[in-house]
Amino acid sequence: DAGVIQSPRHEVTEMGQEVTLRCKPISGHNSLFWYRQTMMRGLELLIYFNNNVPIDDSGMPEDRFSAKMPNASFSTLKIQPSEPRDSAVYFCASSFVGTTPETQYFGPGTRLLVL
Amino acid sequence: DQQVKQNSPSLSVQEGRISILNCDYTNSMFDYFLWYKKYPAEGPTFLISISSIKDKNEDGRFTVFLNKSAKHLSLHIVPSQPGDSAVYFCAASSTGSARQLTFGSGTQLTVLP
Repeated sequence: DAGVIQSPRHEVTEMGQEVTLRCKPISGHNSLFWYRQTMMRGLELLIYFNNNVPIDDSGMPEDRFSAKMPNASFSTLKIQPSEPRDSAVYFCASSFVGTTPETQYFGPGTRLLVL
Repeated sequence: DQQVKQNSPSLSVQEGRISILNCDYTNSMFDYFLWYKKYPAEGPTFLISISSIKDKNEDGRFTVFLNKSAKHLSLHIVPSQPGDSAVYFCAASSTGSARQLTFGSGTQLTVLP
């Protein structure tokens, strides 16, 4: 298996622009997680989906952030409009509910820089 | 409020010696703990975990110890190898919200040849 795939790996954009990050989870996994890593706040959970349904989005910082999972093999995290403080590494992870212990597998991340 | 704390941002160890990485938590509801390893430009990879019903779990060179009364866990790597050089994250979850992992800030381990 190719593991969790994220694109793009790097993104540089200007303040005010829309940014879309993409994630393909591991085939067969039914849960998907979006994390953000910053120097100040470390690794924090933004939102997670179970069977393509958003379960908890309490970590989403504000309305400028939105996430979708139209099917079991694809998810997007969108920032509109982007701001410099959104600069961070964004990770996607997936897991299979029902295993004990449940292990989350992370993608390589998207490094976002908002100028 | 940091519920999972890794107070040592970095640790250097000689090859062949023991590496001990520490983690403290404040939330008494946490009942499952994990360690992840992260290399530069890669995502975190799962290393080892422990349930609160145990106080030790071993997997090859890696052993995790849990002291519930002190709300403290540690990861021991014996013997340390240069390839172990990475950032190590401690994470915790509770049965009630098992999907949510709370991560520590990470410890950069450098194993010197």
